[in-house]
Amino acid sequence: ETGVTQTPRHLVMGMTNKKSLKCEQHLGHNAMYWYKQSAKKPLELMFVYNFKEQTENNSVPSRFSPECPNSSHLFLHLHTLQPEDSALYLCASSQDGDPHNEQFFGPGTRLTVL
Amino acid sequence: EDQVTQSPEALRLQEGESSSLNCSYTVSGLRGLFWYRQDPGKGPEFLFTLYSAGEEKEKERLKATLTKKESFLHITAPKPEDSATYLCAGPLGTGTASKLTFGTGTRLQVTL
Repeated sequence: ETGVTQTPRHLVMGMTNKKSLKCEQHLGHNAMYWYKQSAKKPLELMFVYNFKEQTENNSVPSRFSPECPNSSHLFLHLHTLQPEDSALYLCASSQDGDPHNEQFFGPGTRLTVL
Repeated sequence: EDQVTQSPEALRLQEGESSSLNCSYTVSGLRGLFWYRQDPGKGPEFLFTLYSAGEEKEKERLKATLTKKESFLHITAPKPEDSATYLCAGPLGTGTASKLTFGTGTRLQVTL
């Protein structure tokens, strides 16, 4: 595997379900990010982890819970989601958490909440 | 609030018809401007980083330029495979509040 990988690629869940998104980066980076991409809107930064420490929580509802066990892996745990949470969820990584560094993205997870 | 604005929202070109996409930002003298390409249903693919006014970078039919207030992505003699959404982003905000801020993108369609 190379670059940034995400699983699953597609997910359909009910509002009462609990699911998790997984991201893995093979670039030797120390920062990882979760973004939400909705139609007609710019990418919204959700969470930032730098050297496994969460450094940004961009006012994200508690029904989204991130986990970063090491610099290569990032999870987004989902529970009690709403239909408006349906979107493309993108993971990215960069050398460190400095926003002047290039970020490299995974293919995304297309989430549909029924 | 600092913003990144892209125009046009959508652009339709015929193959071989050159044009430019614009990315402007509210912060003067931005240090670090990124261009990405995104295909439908996929993650953004990194294209260029520009760090200072006057800098230019090229990749195949694409050339990115940067001034103190805006950046342009010039597409020379485009082909249908250049069809995609092009995103620009810049690190807006200061200190610990600084974060990469994206524009809404330009959706480019190149037809035969």
